[in-house]
Amino acid sequence: EPEVTQTPSHQVTQMGQEVILRCVPISNHLYFYWYRQILGQKVEFLVSFYNNEISEKSEIFDDQFSVERPDGSNFTLKIRSTKLEDSAMYFCASSHSPGQGEDTGELFFGEGSRLTVL
Amino acid sequence: DAKTTQPNSMESNEEEPVHLPCNHSTISGTDYIHWYRQLPSQGPEYVIHGLTSNVNNRMASLAIAEDRKSSTLILHRATLRDAAVYYCILRPSNAGGTSYGKLTFGQGTILTVHP
Repeated sequence: EPEVTQTPSHQVTQMGQEVILRCVPISNHLYFYWYRQILGQKVEFLVSFYNNEISEKSEIFDDQFSVERPDGSNFTLKIRSTKLEDSAMYFCASSHSPGQGEDTGELFFGEGSRLTVL
Repeated sequence: DAKTTQPNSMESNEEEPVHLPCNHSTISGTDYIHWYRQLPSQGPEYVIHGLTSNVNNRMASLAIAEDRKSSTLILHRATLRDAAVYYCILRPSNAGGTSYGKLTFGQGTILTVHP
C-alpha cells in the first residue's frame, strides 16, 4: 500500500538553527500538507500546497516557515530560525485533488518527524 | 469552522462493539463528517467519512443522524490495535477551494481496549 514517508524521524537542534523536514508524498497525489502536534496537544494545520504554491496557511505558519517541492517527489518544510516552542511532531500528508478520479477526501499522513529544539 | 463535541475517553473490551459518539449541532448542509484516528506515536489515519447516509468500510461503520447534528463511529469488534484517539472532524465540501485538506482536529476520544 502506498504511504507517505518522512525524514528524519527525530531531529535535535539548537535554538536559532535552521531545520529542514522532508517528506515523500504518495506519487499520484497533487495536494500536500504539513501539520504539527505539540506534545499532549491537538494536531494543528500549518499549510497546504497545490500546483507549486501555498493554497492556505494557518496563523502558526509565519515568516520563519517555508515549504518547497524541489523536485517531483519531495516536499519540504523549512524552519529558518528555530525557537523552543517549535518543538513538536511534524506530520506531512498528501491527498488527491478535489474531483480527481480517485478522490475520497482522505488525507494520508506520514509517521511524523519529531523536532526537539534545545 | 463548525465544532464537534466528543467524550474525552471511552473503554471497551476486546471483541466487543464500540460506539463512539460525536455531536456537531452547527453542521452546515455541505459539511462532510470525517473520522480519523491516531494510534500511539503515529500520524493520524483516515477511518471513514460520510455526508448524509450511513457508510460502511473495512474498518468501521458511520451512522449519521437524520438531522445530521450527530454521528456515531461503530467498530464492530474492537481489537487491541484499535486503541487510539478518535477524531470526528467536519470538512467543508468546497471542492477546489483553498481550504481543501485543512482539517481542524479537536481533542478526540481516547479509546482504551481491554483484553
